[in-house]
Amino acid sequence: GDSVTQMEGPVTLSEEAFLTINCTYTATGYPSLFWYVQYPGEGLQLLLKATKADDKGSNKGFEATYRKETTSFHLEKGSVQVSDSAVYFCALVYSNDYKLSFGAGTTVTVRA
Amino acid sequence: KAGVTQTPRYLIKTRGQQVTLSCSPISGHRSVSWYQQTPGQGLQFLFEYFSETQRNKGNFPGRFSGRQFSNSRSEMNVSTLELGDSALYLCASSLFTAPGTDTQYFGPGTRLTVL
Repeated sequence: GDSVTQMEGPVTLSEEAFLTINCTYTATGYPSLFWYVQYPGEGLQLLLKATKADDKGSNKGFEATYRKETTSFHLEKGSVQVSDSAVYFCALVYSNDYKLSFGAGTTVTVRA
Repeated sequence: KAGVTQTPRYLIKTRGQQVTLSCSPISGHRSVSWYQQTPGQGLQFLFEYFSETQRNKGNFPGRFSGRQFSNSRSEMNVSTLELGDSALYLCASSLFTAPGTDTQYFGPGTRLTVL
């Protein structure tokens, strides 16, 4: 079945460090891909999305590119802040569908 | 525009009881989905409603049910609660004008604890 695999955490970084969270998927067809972020005690917030191959999503300094050839959607940020500490989820959904399939989540902690 | 609201935010129940959770979508959104989040299983899809019709259901027992009202508000019900039902229950709404690409907006969740 369809699945999303994220790099395991937790990830601990210092402020201004470079962040990469790997995400790969197995799916038939061409899903849309999403990154959601969950801050402590809160629900999920959409961080960025890409709906077709080679699309780049970006928001708040985060970027991810939909790579069909490697079935990947890695999340990157060039310089993290303490406020980026959260759990990050990669997810996919198919066209004509509405069910999000999530990865396990990656906990990121940024230290001052 | 107000976001997705869920009530109550916290619930404590005992085994065997039943519980009803409520979700009010963003104004104008007609699709409402429910997800269960647990440390062990992660985020799992429960069901989705559109125009008062359940269109799909995840792999959960029949004790989990839901409904949607004409104003798009949704409720989910869990009967005969088990310890393993302790979780954060998240509701998400979307316009659903472009299936597969629409953004789903999540509420803050209801934290259910079963004792």
